[in-house]
Amino acid sequence: QKEVEQDPGPLSVPEGAIVSLNCTYSNSAFQYFMWYRQYSRKGPELLMYTYSSGNKEDGRFTAQVDKSSKYISLFIRDSQPSDSATYLCAMKGTSGSRLTFGEGTQLTVNP
Amino acid sequence: EAGVAQSPRYKIIEKRQSVAFWCNPISGHATLYWYQQILGQGPKLLIQFQNNGVVDDSQLPKDRFSAERLKGVDSTLKIQPAKLEDSAVYLCASSPTTGSLTYEQYFGPGTRLTVT
Repeated sequence: QKEVEQDPGPLSVPEGAIVSLNCTYSNSAFQYFMWYRQYSRKGPELLMYTYSSGNKEDGRFTAQVDKSSKYISLFIRDSQPSDSATYLCAMKGTSGSRLTFGEGTQLTVNP
Repeated sequence: EAGVAQSPRYKIIEKRQSVAFWCNPISGHATLYWYQQILGQGPKLLIQFQNNGVVDDSQLPKDRFSAERLKGVDSTLKIQPAKLEDSAVYLCASSPTTGSLTYEQYFGPGTRLTVT
């Protein structure tokens, strides 16, 4: 069993839709939860970061962590064509430990 | 602020050949990472350096992969000999410290390796 599972998609939505991206994990030691966005032929860039359980909002993006269910989500409101990318969840235990990534969900937002 | 630089951007080699990738991290970043990203998968850490020293190389196939970071700045990753399954994007990332800010890793554009 993989430590981090992510729905690979692809996901195609119309512009303005609300997008929900999800990951589940099995390692209860994970405390730091991140979402990275990766455009085609580019390196990943950090989008959101959450420590432990709870919600975090940044503009159109909301990250949720439910440690009791070992489930994290990223919501994108009012999605735009420029949001079209692969979204990777990532997590780690202690601050110095290695990042474990999900496989990524490819999102296309159609104008 | 300049980002993480990598070269070459693309490389095509035949199996059993050797190849080397170069990375220049963001100035002042003590920690440097090499990741392997196979098509359709998330990045997998190969090796992590803190300044000159190796922090984690548990997932590096040491029989064919090697990496060094001389003088705590630039780094090279080498594969010798290459196998077909090494076809992937090799990403370099850096971060300021191994303390509380290590969640923020800055990635370079990657080197796309094709082994034929």
